[in-house]
Amino acid sequence: GNSVTQMEGPVTLSEEAFLTINCTYTATGYPSLFWYVQYPGEGLQLLLKATKADDKGSNKGFEATYRKETTSFHLEKGSVQVSDSAVYFCALHLTSGSRLTFGEGTQLTVNP
Amino acid sequence: DTAVSQTPKYLVTQMGNDKSIKCEQNLGHDTMYWYKQDSKKFLKIMFSYNNKELIINETVPNRFSPKSPDKAHLNLHINSLELGDSAVYFCASSQEGRGRYNEQFFGPGTRLTVL
Repeated sequence: GNSVTQMEGPVTLSEEAFLTINCTYTATGYPSLFWYVQYPGEGLQLLLKATKADDKGSNKGFEATYRKETTSFHLEKGSVQVSDSAVYFCALHLTSGSRLTFGEGTQLTVNP
Repeated sequence: DTAVSQTPKYLVTQMGNDKSIKCEQNLGHDTMYWYKQDSKKFLKIMFSYNNKELIINETVPNRFSPKSPDKAHLNLHINSLELGDSAVYFCASSQEGRGRYNEQFFGPGTRLTVL
């Protein structure tokens, strides 16, 4: 079956620190990969996506590269801000259906 | 100009009651979803409707019944509420293309507390 595994949280960083949240996946086809972000008290928002191998998704200073050889899609940001505090979800989607498969979510807290 | 809206935002009720959560999207999308998020933030799909037809029905107790009166609405009715139903329920919508992914837009969530 299809699955997404994220690094365990919670993650606590100081402002301006470098962020990596690991994500690996298992899929029976060629998935599209996504990072969603959930700010406190809100629904999920799409942060970035990559639809094929070696694509790099980027948005708001966050980046992730679709690595087919390692089946990974790690999220990175060079300098986090307090406003980046949220829960981050890695997800995959297969073109054969409309289902999004989410990882467990990683809580990020950035302290000033 | 809210894209995906849910009502109510908070719902507190007693065990055994029946309740409904409503969802509406004004994006013109043809597919809508219900997700359940537990206290550990784990997100799991429950149902998906495409053009008012049920296309995903996960292993969910049959006390949960989705209803889609039209493409813009997907309501969730829950019978005989149990303590374990306490969670945040998210509605989402997307426009499904031919083999292409289109972004899912999420509502703000409904926090259900069963006492």
